[in-house]
Amino acid sequence: GAGVSQTPSNKVTEKGKYVELRCDPISGHTALYWYRQSLGQGPEFLIYFQGTGAADDSGLPNDRFFAVRPEGSVSTLKIQRTERGDSAVYLCASSSRDRNNSPLHFGNGTRLTVT
Amino acid sequence: GESVGLHLPTLSVQEGDNSIINCAYSNSASDYFIWYKQESGKGPQFIIDIRSNMDKRQGQRVTVLLNKTVKHLSLQIAATQPGDSAVYFCAEAAGTSYGKLTFGQGTILTVHP
Repeated sequence: GAGVSQTPSNKVTEKGKYVELRCDPISGHTALYWYRQSLGQGPEFLIYFQGTGAADDSGLPNDRFFAVRPEGSVSTLKIQRTERGDSAVYLCASSSRDRNNSPLHFGNGTRLTVT
Repeated sequence: GESVGLHLPTLSVQEGDNSIINCAYSNSASDYFIWYKQESGKGPQFIIDIRSNMDKRQGQRVTVLLNKTVKHLSLQIAATQPGDSAVYFCAEAAGTSYGKLTFGQGTILTVHP
């Protein structure tokens, strides 16, 4: 079946602009996660949704970052007033539930470059 | 600027050899551990996981060992193949949310034919 789909695969934007990154999880997966991966490092947790609600947003670096999942499926990560330090690969992952024998399945990410 | 791989541990093996990739974790409260493989331009791919009530778990050509005493995790790959070349990450999570993972540094595995 289809895996986690992220669009766009690449996004170049100018400093100060607003961007939206989209994630389509695996069908039926109720848990959805956003991670950020900088060059040469492991992914870092940003936010987790269970259904429509953000169950844990403790990883969001500041209030320029926001994510939604209005219908409990597709999610959008929104970044306002982008900065060069926001450049990274933004990964989305989903799982069938948040506990017990349900590992995260990752998409291929959106590579964001802020110039 | 920093280039990918310059600061990551590396392991280079010949095709057919067994590979062992090590990982130290820091959080004593972590009770779920997972290994991911990441190829260039792709997202992390699940390999195998283990809970803290186990010390060994086997999959297809892979074995994960967990030593909670010294907070050490290892991934063994049997009969390593060129397709196994990638960056390997260990990750840990505590019982409140198994999806809120803390990833390790990563190890670059290169398999020579």
